[in-house]
Amino acid sequence: AQKVTQAQTEISVVEKEDVTLDCVYETRDTTYYLFWYKQPPSGELVFLIRRNSFDEQNEISGRYSWNFQKSTSSFNFTITASQVVDSAVYFCALLVTVTGGGNKLTFGTGTQLKVEL
Amino acid sequence: NAGVTQTPKFQVLKTGQSMTLQCAQDMNHEYMSWYRQDPGMGLRLIHYSVGAGITDQGEVPNGYNVSRSTTEDFPLRLLSAAPSQTSVYFCASSPRTAFRTYNSPLHFGNGTRLTVT
Repeated sequence: AQKVTQAQTEISVVEKEDVTLDCVYETRDTTYYLFWYKQPPSGELVFLIRRNSFDEQNEISGRYSWNFQKSTSSFNFTITASQVVDSAVYFCALLVTVTGGGNKLTFGTGTQLKVEL
Repeated sequence: NAGVTQTPKFQVLKTGQSMTLQCAQDMNHEYMSWYRQDPGMGLRLIHYSVGAGITDQGEVPNGYNVSRSTTEDFPLRLLSAAPSQTSVYFCASSPRTAFRTYNSPLHFGNGTRLTVT
C-alpha cells in the first residue's frame, strides 16, 4: 500500500520568510512519481511539480524548490521569500500504476500555509 | 477546450435522498476518477475508470456507484445520501499513459461541494 505523510498541519510565516513543507512517502514500487499540488482559497487544485523515482535531481522554479531524497523517502518543498499569495493548502501526492493501467494518486493530508504581512 | 467540467458546484441534500454528480471531459482521456476531500484527510480515491465500460473501486467506495458508458462522462451516484458524505468532490482525468509522458497526470475539475443534512 502507498502512503504519504505531511506531518505539518499548519504553518504560519511572515512575508519574505523562507518556509519548507515536508513530505514523506511509502511505497514498495520501484517506479513511482511524486507531485505537489497547491489549493488556494478558491478551491481548485493547481499542479506545481512532478518528480520521477529514478530522477533525484533537485529542481528550482523561481521562488520554489524541491528536494527529493530516496534514501529518506522524502520530497520536501521550499518557498523562498514567501508572499501572501502563497497562502494555500499544499498537497504532496504519490502516483503508482494500477492493474489494467491508469493512475492511482495517493494524497497526503495537506499543509495549510498562512503567509502574513 | 473546457477540460474537466463538474456539475453542480454546490448541492444540499437531505439524508436518504439520491443524486448524481456529473463529470465530463472533452480531452478524450481514457482514465477518469473521483476523489473526496475532507478536512484533515486530504483527497481520497472513491472510484476510477480506465476506459468506457470499465470501473473499479478506490479507497473509499462505500455508498457510491459509478458507471462509464462513454469516454467523456463519469457520473458519481449517491443512492441514499448520508451526513458522512458531506464533502468536496473532485473529478479528474488523464490519458491512460499520462504518468509516463506528461508532467501532470491528472486534470482536475473545480469540485462539487456537497452538504447532507
